[in-house]
Amino acid sequence: GAVVSQHPSWVICKSGTSVKIECRSLDFQATTMFWYRQFPKQSLMLMATSNEGSKATYEQGVEKDKFLINHASLTLSTLTVTSAHPEDSSFYICSARGSGLGTETQYFGPGTRLLVL
Amino acid sequence: QKEVEQNSGPLSVPEGAIASLNCTYSDRGSQSFFWYRQYSGKSPELIMFIYSNGDKEDGRFTAQLNKASQYVSLLIRDSQPSDSATYLCAVIIIQGAQKLVFGQGTRLTINP
Repeated sequence: GAVVSQHPSWVICKSGTSVKIECRSLDFQATTMFWYRQFPKQSLMLMATSNEGSKATYEQGVEKDKFLINHASLTLSTLTVTSAHPEDSSFYICSARGSGLGTETQYFGPGTRLLVL
Repeated sequence: QKEVEQNSGPLSVPEGAIASLNCTYSDRGSQSFFWYRQYSGKSPELIMFIYSNGDKEDGRFTAQLNKASQYVSLLIRDSQPSDSATYLCAVIIIQGAQKLVFGQGTRLTINP
């Protein structure tokens, strides 16, 4: 099946620092990648959608200057949380969708747990 | 009205019984429906997708879709303790930019 990896799996950082999370599709080309955030006991909330080689589309209420997304290749997207604050502590999950897999099916990475002190 | 609604549970089912999970959606134009399972602290994993009205079976899992009623369900036969998880219904919403929208999830517990 389709495999999506994320790195790191968890990170603890000080308030004000920036954190970069990588999302890779390992066995398929991801034309579109999605970034979600999930707070405890809540469902996944879509933050942004990125297509390879173009700017990401952010959901309402998500600050594009705070959550920088780069989708430079068909197998890699990165999310950078800039100047992180404790309220940014959450579970960040990426998913990928690609051709040849069923055009609408999204496969999720294992997630990155971020704790900002 | 939420775009995708699920009963948050918890839903408790004895081992070996059938677990029934329900989901309704608001976008009548939606054509693609997914069920994901999420264990505590983990990311969602795809169980099934369904596009056509009726039933779709895969092992112990059966997805049911009724577009007229805007209703999709997941049945788990011969429930096992390892099926205990949160089950997320997700729908591709057609209005505006197509995106996958998740319900809040139903927490299922299978009691040995």
